[in-house]
Parts: sequence; structure tokens; C-alpha cells
Amino acid sequence: NAGVTQTPKFQVLKTGQSMTLQCAQDMNHEYMSWYRQDPGMGLRLIHYSVGAGITDQGEVPNGYNVSRSTTEDFPLRLLSAAPSQTSVYFCATRQGGSSGANVLTFGAGSRLTVL
Amino acid sequence: AQSVTQPDIHITVSEGASLELRCNYSYGATPYLFWYVQSPGQGLQLLLKYFSGDTLVQGIKGFEAEFKRSQSSFNLRKPSVHWSDAAEYFCAVGGLSGSARQLTFGSGTQLTVLP
Repeated sequence: NAGVTQTPKFQVLKTGQSMTLQCAQDMNHEYMSWYRQDPGMGLRLIHYSVGAGITDQGEVPNGYNVSRSTTEDFPLRLLSAAPSQTSVYFCATRQGGSSGANVLTFGAGSRLTVL
Repeated sequence: AQSVTQPDIHITVSEGASLELRCNYSYGATPYLFWYVQSPGQGLQLLLKYFSGDTLVQGIKGFEAEFKRSQSSFNLRKPSVHWSDAAEYFCAVGGLSGSARQLTFGSGTQLTVLP
């Protein structure tokens, strides 16, 4: 049982390049989300999805794009990377699409550096 | 909107000493409170959670936390710290309605354990 799998673990981009961070889960969780972690700022929500075909913005959505075509996958796209997007990105899932009471399961993270 | 404050950015304790990490939250309704731990290079792992009932909750690895509604606090404690407890600790708040359905995290407290 893999849980939440994020790829790649590390990535270096140049300003203006595009890339996709992948998140896959095998727990049949309805809810999937992307957070970014920056020193002194904790985790901030970028985008989330409560089910296939449904996505919504979090606290810091600018510069990121998401889609949810299947229950298992929730990719995060950077269309034109900027140095301000240098961060560690976490995918997190939970049972129950709309309850903030349920526990999040996190992936191991993807460290992105934009030069 | 809800918020979480962790006033201590960094705490250092000696192995075997007791530990208390502070967490204050702001939320207008009944909060759902969580403590997560992040070891270096890893994702976040749930330590414990409070939903309702007994205000003293037990978690994994010998941790406990006490919910105090009058103080809007959810402090994490451990009677005797082990070297393996060195990590970053995050408090989070969620709820059942509105923006609280998305978890909000504090900025984290980095714990160093001295031998």
C-alpha cells in the first residue's frame, strides 16, 4: 500500500520553464490538496479537490494550475516558473470530500528550485 | 477565517526533560485541532487530534495535548523527550463549514534535543 506518492522528489527549473508535479494516491480518498512549505510560514494551501472533476483555489493559487480527471491523480502545473515558487510542495489527501475534521495523509514532498 | 499561532519558532531541550509546545488558534465555531510532526526530509505525520469530548488527548510516541477553549489553546506535551523527537511540529485547525473545511497550519516549531 503506497499511500500518497509524489514525483519528482527534486527538481531544478529556470525562470519561465513549465513543469508538472505529480501526486497519486491508492487509498480511494475523495479529497486531494497541494500545499507549499516555506521557512517560517508553515504550510499554505495552493489548490484542492473534493472529487474527480472538482477543483478549487486555496490561499496561494497564483501561478499554479490543477485538474482532477481521476480519483487517484492530482497533478500541479507550473506554467511559467518564477523564483518565488522555490519551495517544498506537499500533496495531502483525506477521506470525505468536505470535512475539515478528517485527518490528512501526506506525501513525502517535492523540493523545487527555480533559478 | 481561522488562524493558528505557534509562538515558539525554535525550542531546545535536553534529552529526558519535559516538553511543551504552544499553539493558539482562532476559530468561531467548534474547532478540530491537530498536531503533526515532520522529520527532516519527510512528509507530515499525525501525532494526535481533538474533535470533541475529553479535552486531554493522547497521541503516538508518548505525546499528549490539552484543549483549553477559554484560552483558545491546544498545547502539546511530552513528559520525557527522546533524541528521536527532534523534528518540526505543526499545529493545525479545521472545521465543518466554510473555509475551515480546509486545514490551516501554524508556522511550526523546530525542536532540537541535546544529548
